[in-house]
Amino acid sequence: EVQLVQSGAEVKKPGESLTISCQCSTYSFHNSWIAWVRQMPGKGLEWVGVIYPDDSDTRYSPSFQGQVTISADKSVRTAYLHLSGLKASDTAIYYCARSLLDPRGLDIWGQGTTVIVSS
Amino acid sequence: DIQMTQTPSTLSASVGDTVTITCRASRSLDSWLAWYQQKPGKAPNLLIYKASTLESGVPSRFSGRGSGTEFTLTINSLQPDDIGTYYCQQYSSQSWTFGQGTKVEIK
Repeated sequence: EVQLVQSGAEVKKPGESLTISCQCSTYSFHNSWIAWVRQMPGKGLEWVGVIYPDDSDTRYSPSFQGQVTISADKSVRTAYLHLSGLKASDTAIYYCARSLLDPRGLDIWGQGTTVIVSS
Repeated sequence: DIQMTQTPSTLSASVGDTVTITCRASRSLDSWLAWYQQKPGKAPNLLIYKASTLESGVPSRFSGRGSGTEFTLTINSLQPDDIGTYYCQQYSSQSWTFGQGTKVEIK
């Protein structure tokens, strides 16, 4: 069974940086895209961006371009979401999710990483 | 960006009812649309992909229709376990987007 396991909750101060990880449990990491999705408290889902770990082809939502960096290390089957210059408005749950090459939406999701930014 | 407009934002229905959620896209998606269910405190769960294909393990009371710019998710015979928030998501363009969500409640 494919699983995406995300790093644990974080509490940060404004201005700090943070990297969230998402590790895939199986080899299928190589044949899929990994997306990142934000959910602010009490709000809906927002697509942040996506990476193809095999060649690191990365696409960002215009709303997040320049605000975050997505990367991956296929040797450890892990994708990363880096946020810098954190603001209180970055407080949210961040999910990673898999999209297969034969696109069928986001079929496997991580458990979510809660990020709290507070002074 | 392709904008996704999902209606209604909240839906209240009785057990056994048939409910329909609509998602409209600002330009054609062909059939590159998915539907998700999210329960409180949980990650979303894929229900439908390619507009009308039921994900493995999803009850057959869920169905999706549409192509181009207008899509629907229908739940036949609403069950108490169906409460949650439902989202559409387009993956037609290089920048994917979600609808605003529809909260489904039981009367």
